[in-house]
Amino acid sequence: DAKTTQPTSMDCAEGRAANLPCNHSTISGNEYVYWYRQIHSQGPQYIIHGLKNNETNEMASLIITEDRKSSTLILPHATLRDTAVYYCIVRVRDDKIIFGKGTRLHILP
Amino acid sequence: SAVISQKPSRDICQRGTSLTIQCQVDSQVTMMFWYRQQPGQSLTLIATANQGSEATYESGFVIDKFPISRPNLTFSTLTVSNMSPEDSSIYLCSVSQGAQNYGYTFGSGTRLTVV
Repeated sequence: DAKTTQPTSMDCAEGRAANLPCNHSTISGNEYVYWYRQIHSQGPQYIIHGLKNNETNEMASLIITEDRKSSTLILPHATLRDTAVYYCIVRVRDDKIIFGKGTRLHILP
Repeated sequence: SAVISQKPSRDICQRGTSLTIQCQVDSQVTMMFWYRQQPGQSLTLIATANQGSEATYESGFVIDKFPISRPNLTFSTLTVSNMSPEDSSIYLCSVSQGAQNYGYTFGSGTRLTVV
């Protein structure tokens, strides 16, 4: 099963872009990368997912390296409400997703 | 995406008792999962709820402790049996349509405190 590695925590100034890295060096060719966030004990919230190409939606952008061994989630203009734990997840066999420890993102005023 | 209603949202229970948590989805979904989140920790997958058959449990979780039902494609229950304070956690339901390009939706969780 592909595993992910993320920094434990990061800080970002309000209004700046937040770039959250994730390593998934053992990812298989057909496995998607998913990003979720969890704001203080709420259920995880879907952000974005991708396979090979870079993706963008109203919340964020996802940049996946050409070898697919790492990716970066970009929140273009971070606000205080973006303070959360961000999880990078690779879909595993049998359609299950397994959470790692995630990155605790602090947005600083 | 699917909308999940999870009940109860929170409960305080006596040790030795059992609590059944319900997960209702507003549309038919292929996959349903149950997770546990202990205080200050990440989410841990308990089991996959299979429609019409026994749930598939992850390592460290057993049916006697966490019996799961899934009578149809929109509903599932998780029971936490013979509770102890160590079972105090948030329990979350998650659903997916199953294909690789679909995401997963999570319920708001059930915050359980065992005293």
